[in-house]
Amino acid sequence: DTEVTQTPKHLVMGMTNKKSLKCEQHMGHRAMYWYKQKAKKPPELMFVYSYEKLSINESVPSRFSPECPNSSLLNLHLHALQPEDSALYLCASLSLGDEQFFGPGTRLTVL
Amino acid sequence: SQQGEEDPQALSIQEGENATMNCSYKTSINNLQWYRQNSGRGLVHLILIRSNEREKHSGRLRVTLDTSKKSSSLLITASRAADTASYFCATDAFSGGYNKLIFGAGTRLAVHP
Repeated sequence: DTEVTQTPKHLVMGMTNKKSLKCEQHMGHRAMYWYKQKAKKPPELMFVYSYEKLSINESVPSRFSPECPNSSLLNLHLHALQPEDSALYLCASLSLGDEQFFGPGTRLTVL
Repeated sequence: SQQGEEDPQALSIQEGENATMNCSYKTSINNLQWYRQNSGRGLVHLILIRSNEREKHSGRLRVTLDTSKKSSSLLITASRAADTASYFCATDAFSGGYNKLIFGAGTRLAVHP
């Protein structure tokens, strides 16, 4: 299995909702990432997990809460988001060759 | 924060022509990578070039790296309509013991049949 999967593909939520994004890889990669991408902009790093421990938090607001339950799974819990948080959320995992494999993303709309 | 710039921002060519995209960056790097993104979907890894390499090929792709000028270029030869996408360079500075990619602004390539 050489892919990163993300669910859901699309998510619409209100500012008072709680939702979660899920990312999964079965390539044995030990580092996983969350990125946020706004339209016509490059991806921006949010979080890095290495060996299931949070290694980098790029000063992301606490309404985004990452979780790594095991080496194959990465979640991003969302609570009390703002409309400006609407974006494509991308998950990636790091190969031994330093390449990052990206999932197809979750398109999030906050109303 | 963006590591550097890419140019051109947009490029429009005919099928069969070559496309060249340039990337500049600001800090020392461990490696530089190029990715393709089709219309708001996930990124596809194209090629990785390490700081001690000067040129790398993969199929119709040729990447060069000049660490003295802190710049890289991606050449796509004999382009096809299916190459239409946004192309991003990303630098990996291996900061604090972790691989961390910082992306350039991207080049939007349109290849017309």
